[in-house]
Formats: sequence, C-alpha cells, structure tokens
Amino acid sequence: EAGVAQSPRYKIIEKRQSVAFWCNPISGHATLYWYQQILGQGPKLLIQFQNNGVVDDSQLPKDRFSAERLKGVDSTLKIQPAKLEDSAVYLCASSLHGGPYEQYFGPGTRLTVT
Amino acid sequence: GESVGLHLPTLSVQEGDNSIINCAYSNSASDYFIWYKQESGKGPQFIIDIRSNMDKRQGQRVTVLLNKTVKHLSLQIAATQPGDSAVYFCAEMGGSGGGSNYKLTFGKGTLLTVNP
Repeated sequence: EAGVAQSPRYKIIEKRQSVAFWCNPISGHATLYWYQQILGQGPKLLIQFQNNGVVDDSQLPKDRFSAERLKGVDSTLKIQPAKLEDSAVYLCASSLHGGPYEQYFGPGTRLTVT
Repeated sequence: GESVGLHLPTLSVQEGDNSIINCAYSNSASDYFIWYKQESGKGPQFIIDIRSNMDKRQGQRVTVLLNKTVKHLSLQIAATQPGDSAVYFCAEMGGSGGGSNYKLTFGKGTLLTVNP
C-alpha cells in the first residue's frame, strides 16, 4: 500500500513570497489533515477535511493560509504572504474514517522562510 | 488550555536495555492516547494506542500504561535497539461532537538515543 505522498520535500522562500504544498493521501482515505510542526515541537493541526469538506480549520491562520481538497482526494496548502515564523515542516496525514483510528503521515515539506 | 506534556526532553539508553518514556496530560475527557515515533526527515509513525477505559496495552516490544488518577501515560520499549532511536510523541485524541471530528493534540516529544 502506497503511503501519503507530499511535494516538494524542501522549499526555501523569502518573506512575503507565496508557497504551495501538495498532498496525495492513501487511496480510499476520506479524511485528510494538514499539520504544522515547528522545530522541537509536536505537530499542530491546521485543517481537517472529510472528503472535500472542511471539518475543522480553527487553528488555520486564515489571513495568510488557505487549503483546498476540491475532488476529495489530493489537497493543496498555500501560504500567502509567508512570514519568518512560518518556517516549519508541513505534514499531511490521512485516515480511513477520521475517527479514533491511526492517522498515516507523509514525510512532510520543510519550509524555510528567509 | 488543555495540553499534553512530557517529563523528559531526552533519554539515552544502552542497546538491550528497557526504555520508559513518560507523558503527562491534563484533558481528562480525552478518549484515546496514542504514541508516535518520528525519525529524522520522516512523518510521525503510529506505535500503539490505548483507550481511556484501559490501564495497559501491549504490542510487539512496546507497552503503554495509562494512570488516570495522576493523568500519566508511559511507553515502555523492551530490549531497545539502535533502530528505536527517534523522537517519541504522546498525543491525545478527543471527540468534538463525535462522528469524524476527532482532534489529535501532540505533546512536545522525547528524543530517545540508543547507544550501541
């Protein structure tokens, strides 16, 4: 079974630039999550999708971050404009139903904002 | 607010010894507690979980203990191997109205180093 795919793996941008991350979840997984992991900390949930609908985006900084999952499969997370404090690893995860089951994580995209 | 925290940021053990990683939590309403392993450059990997109505659960070389009285969670790794070197996170999962809206909240992590 193929795992969660993410791209790019690394990205370096200057502050005020825009960046987008892509995630392809495990086939058949209805629930998709985006997490932000700052160095030395645990992942923090940004947004959760159930199919193509948003279940929870309470911790997403909506003035600069946006995410979509138009066809209920792949998802894109965008930051516009980026700030220095956005430097982190952005993890995508998926689960079959979104309930108390295992979430499968992708390898993440390491973003450095200079 | 509610949070999940760890007692020790780093743990160093000898190969073959048993490892114990501890975690304190504050949200008594959490339904599940989960341990994740994160190796450098990879996403967290599920190790084992335990429901809030259980005290102990065993897996292959790992055991999770839950003490609800003191709100404490521990991960025991038997016969620790160099491949166990990683950051270990405890996480709590609680439902928000049930259904598919279970939010996972991670602690800060413990770095486990296994010396050969």
